[in-house]
Amino acid sequence: EAQVTQNPRYLITVTGKKLTVTCSQNMNHEYMSWYRQDPGLGLRQIYYSMNVEVTDKGDVPEGYKVSRKEKRNFPLILESPSPNQTSLYFCASSQETSGRYEQYFGPGTRLTVT
Amino acid sequence: GENVEQHPSTLSVQEGDSAVIKCTYSDSASNYFPWYKQELGKGPQLIIDIRSNVGEKKDQRIAVTLNKTAKHFSLHITETQPEDSAVYFCAALFTGGGNKLTFGTGTQLKVEL
Repeated sequence: EAQVTQNPRYLITVTGKKLTVTCSQNMNHEYMSWYRQDPGLGLRQIYYSMNVEVTDKGDVPEGYKVSRKEKRNFPLILESPSPNQTSLYFCASSQETSGRYEQYFGPGTRLTVT
Repeated sequence: GENVEQHPSTLSVQEGDSAVIKCTYSDSASNYFPWYKQELGKGPQLIIDIRSNVGEKKDQRIAVTLNKTAKHFSLHITETQPEDSAVYFCAALFTGGGNKLTFGTGTQLKVEL
């Protein structure tokens, strides 16, 4: 089954404690990205990756890092989380197929930073 | 960069009625416009999309229309059912610039019995 998995699904942490949210896809997609979803703001892209070892900033990259050492994995790293990073995070992967650019989203990670 | 505005933010309809959600985009280069449905506790899922060389596309009870001149596109759901209740997002993309989708702010649709 084609899917994007994220872990953990829920995380409560304290300010300054480094954390990593993992993301993995089994569709051999080249393009992967991270979004955060906040009420009234929709989905905003944090970082994206066009392929292995190729990453770039999205619209809201401050306070986040990513890496793409393997095609299937795209972890999101918060080196020093702050309360304003409390949000719902989605990983997604996509590839153009017959003119369609469908993004497959993971189930989400709800992060609370106290 | 691209900016997508979406209205309304919440929409309540009676079962069987139609629902319409509207979006506008700013970048005239955008040429691909998908719509995503997000059910509670899940990630968004693509339900329909349209390219800029097409004015309308239908798939059973859902349809999307595009007005390139006005930079406006809309989602139409007919004969709404309770399972249509969800958050809907529009998005825009320029296919010559990679896979970066710019999303609208979402519409919470509630279909009441």
